[in-house]
Amino acid sequence: DAGITQSPRYKITETGRQVTLMCHQTWSHSYMFWYRQDLGHGLRLIYYSAAADITDKGEVPDGYVVSRSKTENFPLTLESATRSQTSVYFCASSSGQGGEAFFGQGTRLTVV
Amino acid sequence: ILNVEQSPQSLHVQEGDSTNFTCSFPSSNFYALHWYRWETAKSPEALFVMTLNGDEKKKGRISATLNTKEGYSYLYIKGSQPEDSATYLCAFKNQAGTALIFGKGTTLSVSS
Repeated sequence: DAGITQSPRYKITETGRQVTLMCHQTWSHSYMFWYRQDLGHGLRLIYYSAAADITDKGEVPDGYVVSRSKTENFPLTLESATRSQTSVYFCASSSGQGGEAFFGQGTRLTVV
Repeated sequence: ILNVEQSPQSLHVQEGDSTNFTCSFPSSNFYALHWYRWETAKSPEALFVMTLNGDEKKKGRISATLNTKEGYSYLYIKGSQPEDSATYLCAFKNQAGTALIFGKGTTLSVSS
């Protein structure tokens, strides 16, 4: 299916475990982004990527790692999950700088 | 860190009322200002992308204006309907950055 998809949609993990959230888009958009949504904070940028093999930190990158070996995929890894990383994570993509962002359905992650 | 402010935080109106929200952003090095509509249990969807000072965009009963010199944008909804109930996000990008920075949103509730 065309579009941007995230997996899994829901995930429960234990403190200290590594977990990877997947994001896949079929438009060949250059730009991809990871945001987290928390009550009282809105959407905060974790990491972004301007192209394959180019990534950069956003507002709240600590505890997260990203990679972009292929244009269509932008996985987000929590190396050692903490309870403070319980959140809803949104992946987005856009075709150009400042262009409309298209969002995935979100992944609700709970760290217990 | 760029600061994007939205007001009010929440708003409750009656069906048929017209309403407006404000987004404030840094006025220097402006590149683009976006408005998104975010319904509960869905992903944000773009309403408008504005890039020029004085831009006015309209989609049905919803319109937006942009003042880049003073750093604000207004979103107007004419004749609010219950289906307009959602959180409205604005997002800003300056010339130096790559990613959109989002405000915390204005949550609109329209009762019939």
